This record gives sequence, C-alpha cells and structure tokens, in this order.
Amino acid sequence: DIQMTQSPSSLSASVGDRVTITCRASQSISSYLNWYQQKPGKAPKLLIYAASSLQRGVPSRFSGSGSGTEFTLTISSLQPEDFATYYCQQSYSSPLTFGGGAKVDIK
Amino acid sequence: EVQLLESGGGLVQPGGSLRLSCAASGFTFSSYAMSWVRQTPGKGLEWVSTISTSGGSTYYADSVKGRFTISRDNSKNTLYLQMNSLRAEDTAVYYCAKELGMWYFDLWGRGTLVTVSS
Repeated sequence: DIQMTQSPSSLSASVGDRVTITCRASQSISSYLNWYQQKPGKAPKLLIYAASSLQRGVPSRFSGSGSGTEFTLTISSLQPEDFATYYCQQSYSSPLTFGGGAKVDIK
Repeated sequence: EVQLLESGGGLVQPGGSLRLSCAASGFTFSSYAMSWVRQTPGKGLEWVSTISTSGGSTYYADSVKGRFTISRDNSKNTLYLQMNSLRAEDTAVYYCAKELGMWYFDLWGRGTLVTVSS
C-alpha cells in the first residue's frame, strides 16, 4: 500500500497568512494526488485534483503543486472560513489512501 | 439539488450485520462510479470500496474484503454497502462519495455512524 504522510499535522496561523502543507508519498504517484478540506461535523470537500487542478467553485487562493513523491497545498492568504483540516489522497493505485490530515487553526 | 444521503447506520453487536444505503439526487447517478469511505478519530479517512457505473466491477480494501459487499441500483439511484461479520474496528462514520474522475471524489454525503459494540 502507498503511505501518505502529511506535515505539519497541525499549525496555527492568522488571517492573511500564507500557509503551506506538505504531503509525501511512500513511492512515486506521478500527479495522482488530491486535496480535501474538512470542517468539524462535515464531509470532506474536494479542493484540488491531479496535484494542481482547482476544483470548480474553489477560491483561487488555494493551489497545489508537485509530482512524484512530494506535493504541496498552498493557501495564499488565509481567510476565516479556511480554518479546517486538510487531507491529501493518492489516486494512483488501489487501495486508495489518505494522509493523516493537517489541522489549521487560529493563532 | 445535487446531493447524497446515507442511511442505515446504528449500533450493532460484534459479528452482526448492517446494510447502508446512499440515495443520490441531482445528477445522472448511472454515469458515475461510486465509493464508500469511512472515518474514525484514530485512523482518519479510510477508503472502503468502489463500484463501477454498471456495477460490473467492484473493489475493496483488504480490511473489509470478504465481509462487505458494495452494490448499486441505477433504477433507484441508490448505492448500498452490505456489512457482515462486523468488528469493533469497523466503528466509524461511513460516507458515500461520487467519483469525479479516476479514484477521487467531488461529492460526499453527510455520513452515517456505525457503532460495533456489545
């Protein structure tokens, strides 16, 4: 199975900050990497697919990059509604696997 | 409105069975592969199973293979997960999810809680 490791697991940031979350795969997954946002008590929401494609309706302050084994999710200017947990997920091979999550909270 | 609505969760004893349902609306259900993903506080998000548009192909995580069965009824716009021989470690919120592309998900239900305990 492909292991997905996210860092940091949590971070504190202020509104307006630039935030970067890293996701590393245990083997190359090309660009088969997706990012989700989850708020407490809610289902995950797709933000980025195929490493860098912005899902329709997602604000442009979210961006993704990377390929192979290392990927990043960047929020260019953190907004109050962005405080949440972010998960990466590989779609390269079965079983699909998720990272452990990165919780972004208010500093 | 485009949505998925799960039902069928609840409390069940170890070794018992449950059948989850997911009612889809607002999109052409038969055109999309569908999946179940579960979430626990300890293990985070875990993919459980996926079914192709026609139902002819199914895929399972090793942790549920042989115990869970995914199916769909395109005439009823409904996805199912039959869960047998349930274990304490199956306790989780179960989400149904619609695939946007290959193996990633653009629409999720609100989830249904399954608790396996005596």
